[in-house]
Amino acid sequence: EPEVTQTPSHQVTQMGQEVILRCVPISNHLYFYWYRQILGQKVEFLVSFYNNEISEKSEIFDDQFSVERPDGSNFTLKIRSTKLEDSAMYFCANTRGNEQYFGPGTRLTVT
Amino acid sequence: AQKITQTQPGMFVQEKEAVTLDCTYDTSDPSYGLFWYKQPSSGEMIFLIYQGSYDQQNATEGRYSLNFQKARKSANLVISASQLGDSAMYFCAMRGHLRNNRLAFGKGNQVVVIP
Repeated sequence: EPEVTQTPSHQVTQMGQEVILRCVPISNHLYFYWYRQILGQKVEFLVSFYNNEISEKSEIFDDQFSVERPDGSNFTLKIRSTKLEDSAMYFCANTRGNEQYFGPGTRLTVT
Repeated sequence: AQKITQTQPGMFVQEKEAVTLDCTYDTSDPSYGLFWYKQPSSGEMIFLIYQGSYDQQNATEGRYSLNFQKARKSANLVISASQLGDSAMYFCAMRGHLRNNRLAFGKGNQVVVIP
């Protein structure tokens, strides 16, 4: 199975701080996604990214969030000023053919 | 918009037995894709199986098979010969007609395999 990697695996931050979550997707794939999963809840779509542009975003993805592909390989999700309710597992995903593969996730804890 | 419904309570299954996890869906897209993922306690989301809405046959992948009933809008996952390592949350998800559309997830089914 193709491998999507994410760093860090766990991040603890104080409310109001900026965090950057990183993903290295499967090479040569053009569509990237970020999802989040609040503890005990279902996985929710945040944003999809294609050809260095946002192609779709959910209502969760407000002005506090941004995505970039700064160096052509890494794919980042930035939260500018974290809130307690941003505490969740954040997954990066990539599509290969019909299948969508998820990275191992970053567990973000906002205190 | 797509909607996925998983309503079963947590399930206990005897090792080596088969288990069926229910998933129903709703969509207005003429074609779509259905997915199942496994989430063990470690938290990662592991892709298990995919079914396209126009696929003629039900998808199978090792011990996993998808019982796709299009008219009933159901896509149940069958795990045969359960193993202790199958204990996890299982999520059903669907994607709209474009291959690169985002996934919409159900709330998941908890499965515990007992020896």
